[in-house]
Amino acid sequence: QSALTQPASVSGSPGQSITISCTGTSSDVGSYNLVSWYQQHPGKAPKLMIYEVSKRPSGVSNRFSGSKSGNTASLTISGLQAEDEADYYCCSYAGSRVFGGGTKLTVL
Amino acid sequence: EVQLVESGGGLVQPGGSLRLSCAASGFTFSSYWMSWVRQAPGKGLEWVANIKQDGSEKYYVDSVKGRFTISRDNAKNSLYLQMNSLRAEDTAVYYCARFIREAFDIWGQGTMVTVSS
Repeated sequence: QSALTQPASVSGSPGQSITISCTGTSSDVGSYNLVSWYQQHPGKAPKLMIYEVSKRPSGVSNRFSGSKSGNTASLTISGLQAEDEADYYCCSYAGSRVFGGGTKLTVL
Repeated sequence: EVQLVESGGGLVQPGGSLRLSCAASGFTFSSYWMSWVRQAPGKGLEWVANIKQDGSEKYYVDSVKGRFTISRDNAKNSLYLQMNSLRAEDTAVYYCARFIREAFDIWGQGTMVTVSS
């Protein structure tokens, strides 16, 4: 099972919005509404931010939102804050579970 | 407080074995699927294995099938990963995670496994 494709890096200024894409295939992202997103700060464990494409766990800011179109899922962060600077990973059900390669978000 | 605490990592020679443990607290452990996810140094996340609430179903990533065994003891609120025939490419931080609705919603702090001679 191949990893999902994410951009290596994205950046934005405080207050702006950014979107991180996660591209899979018709066998994973395209077939199931089972995409999740994780935030990981350096040296820390990942944190669940979005599950089932667009649902937010309790306690996660509503500045984080998820969507999907075809074989590509997206994570949008609005009103960027310095604390959002981290690595972000998508994950999809694919018979197995497959992660994206990760995207480093830099807040300028 | 919901918490997962891993232990058992360390340095092991290629071909060796190691058993990781994960102690759960703050939730009804026996009601959840559980998982192991790993992260090689400087690399991304990789799902390793899942186990059903009663241990009756287990799933593994292809690269560890036949070498790793996931298990659990609900009486002890504990999850385990027995790792045999270890290879250099198994070097990673191993995270224990609670698995629900096809997402890993609670994570431990991780335990480092280094496979090297």
